[in-house]
Amino acid sequence: DGGITQSPKYLFRKEGQNVTLSCEQNLNHDAMYWYRQDPGQGLRLIYYSQIVNDFQKGDIAEGYSVSREKKESFPLTVTSAQKNPTAFYLCASSIARSTDTQYFGPGTRLTVL
Amino acid sequence: GESVGLHLPTLSVQEGDNSIINCAYSNSASDYFIWYKQESGKGPQFIIDIRSNMDKRQGQRVTVLLNKTVKHLSLQIAATQPGDSAVYFCAENSGNTPLVFGKGTRLSVIA
Repeated sequence: DGGITQSPKYLFRKEGQNVTLSCEQNLNHDAMYWYRQDPGQGLRLIYYSQIVNDFQKGDIAEGYSVSREKKESFPLTVTSAQKNPTAFYLCASSIARSTDTQYFGPGTRLTVL
Repeated sequence: GESVGLHLPTLSVQEGDNSIINCAYSNSASDYFIWYKQESGKGPQFIIDIRSNMDKRQGQRVTVLLNKTVKHLSLQIAATQPGDSAVYFCAENSGNTPLVFGKGTRLSVIA
């Protein structure tokens, strides 16, 4: 998992609740990313950040929010506005630019009850 | 629009045989390509990459081939082992946007 940690591994939430997924990296990478993966599907980009205190929306940002207050941390909040939040969430980081090779964490499986 | 895709969603091979996983891309400006392996319930793992100034690159038991003329990328795995069973994704770099990932091919190794 290359120095990228995600917690928790499994997360359950009730419908209508916000939940925050943690992502930490000790690789000194500038760029970090959040992806969503549904069963049998590829990766869809939610948000990414190339530098502290800056981030950009990906392809499916609606219903999600992020912050990048520290270089090593990029938490993702799944809000109640996300209509279908049950999925596998993957965090990744890369050395500098968003075009560099990305290294992934182990993922968090979120289930909405 | 630009896209990265795969020809086959599933591939079954006998243990010991060679595997070939294919990927097509449509952005002729893409200059960097990566293959990832994802085992069930885990995050994708980097396997090998190639830049557009090359047409072949070899790693340990893996080879990536790039054909820019037909915008085709392939991953060859030699002497496929049960531990190679996973979903394989290709990804491309085009301009200043983050990597674009294909949908993935599931490789099943038959013992």
